[in-house]
Amino acid sequence: AQKITQTQPGMFVQEKEAVTLDCTYDTSDPSYGLFWYKQPSSGEMIFLIYQGSYDQQNATEGRYSLNFQKARKSANLVISASQLGDSAMYFCAMRGMDSSYKLIFGSGTRLLVRP
Amino acid sequence: DTGVSQDPRHKITKRGQNVTFRCDPISEHNRLYWYRQTLGQGPEFLTYFQNEAQLEKSRLLSDRFSAERPKGSFSTLEIQRTEQGDSAMYLCASSLIWADTSYEQYFGPGTRLTVT
Repeated sequence: AQKITQTQPGMFVQEKEAVTLDCTYDTSDPSYGLFWYKQPSSGEMIFLIYQGSYDQQNATEGRYSLNFQKARKSANLVISASQLGDSAMYFCAMRGMDSSYKLIFGSGTRLLVRP
Repeated sequence: DTGVSQDPRHKITKRGQNVTFRCDPISEHNRLYWYRQTLGQGPEFLTYFQNEAQLEKSRLLSDRFSAERPKGSFSTLEIQRTEQGDSAMYLCASSLIWADTSYEQYFGPGTRLTVT
């Protein structure tokens, strides 16, 4: 069975500083995908970044980067130069390679950016 | 706006009533997913469609739940005889699946259901 674990219920970061949100996963699939989504208070899930299990390099998208350590089964999200608008819930998710491509989500981390 | 839309955004109903939610995916997307998110948790998969065919249903989807996607366009999720435990955010997502690409699911704003 696939599982995503996010052990930080809440995090604080000072504006303009970097922050790392932790995510560990468990799967027996040799091929899988890892995602991070942002959920503001409005409720919509916003896609941030994707990492494939066979990708050689860590994914980056603007201020977001994914620190992928396959042997440790971790996929931490790094947000550089935090902004007030980054305050939200952040979810790590996994997609297995069964034909559904459904996402398995962690319980999330609430990030609060302090001015 | 060409994103995923959901209607209504909020629904308050009394226990025992039936409710129906609608999701309009991005027009060219062939996959449509329904997820349920309870307070303080991440979304959980309920069911998905490829075009008009419903291909998988989670064990979370009891007999009181039914979903359709006629003609492979919009989808509806109906809950019959609602219970207080059905109170949650119901999220719809769509994606375009080809043979070896496309992984991102685009989510709608969700429908928040409150059963009193």
